Amino acid sequence: QQQVKQSPQSLIVQKGGISIINCAYENTAFDYFPWYQQFPGKGPALLIAIRPDVSEKKEGRFTISFNKSAKQFSLHIMDSQPGDSATYFCAASIFSLSGNQFYFGTGTSLTVIP
Amino acid sequence: DVKVTQSSRYLVKRTGEKVFLECVQDMDHENMFWYRQDPGLGLRLIYFSYDVKMKEKGDIPEGYSVSREKKERFSLILESASTNQTSMYLCASTSAGQETQYFGPGTRLLVL
Repeated sequence: QQQVKQSPQSLIVQKGGISIINCAYENTAFDYFPWYQQFPGKGPALLIAIRPDVSEKKEGRFTISFNKSAKQFSLHIMDSQPGDSATYFCAASIFSLSGNQFYFGTGTSLTVIP
Repeated sequence: DVKVTQSSRYLVKRTGEKVFLECVQDMDHENMFWYRQDPGLGLRLIYFSYDVKMKEKGDIPEGYSVSREKKERFSLILESASTNQTSMYLCASTSAGQETQYFGPGTRLLVL
């Protein structure tokens, strides 16, 4: 079953608006929650990440909000720009010395209209 | 900069053909992964390898096999390609215990 549930599947936002993508998980063993950004024809690349002991992390226009009790986290893109148009994946991982286990959401296709 | 390269960007194969997808990383990463990406389904893990000669099944290993003879190279093999294996295939790598995965550009495979 899907370990990380992501919504919405697609999102259209006007330039300058706020884009919000939500994810939920069940496994409390997850200890790292990254967001990946994927442009057409490219592989996903790490955008921003958070650990469960922090409720918010901000990097420029991108913010992760984390609610440990609700087992939810979300990506907020402030002042959305056409260049932000991409597919966004949330993920969760479990640390292991031999190799972490990674679980991805189903992705959100974001279109920012000029 | 970490670089993960995949042998082909686009491939067209016929049903029943044996298909090899190659992935090479240049950062001495122990862990390597193969995913397929389909609309609405996200990234689904096919196989992964935590070290040379090691392999583990992911969530959807049926119809696939892998080979890891050298640390930098991880190959995905479709023994007998079928139309339902038409997809985007992504390779990723990371160091043991590292939390960031580095992805290749993907191979878009069309099976006719």
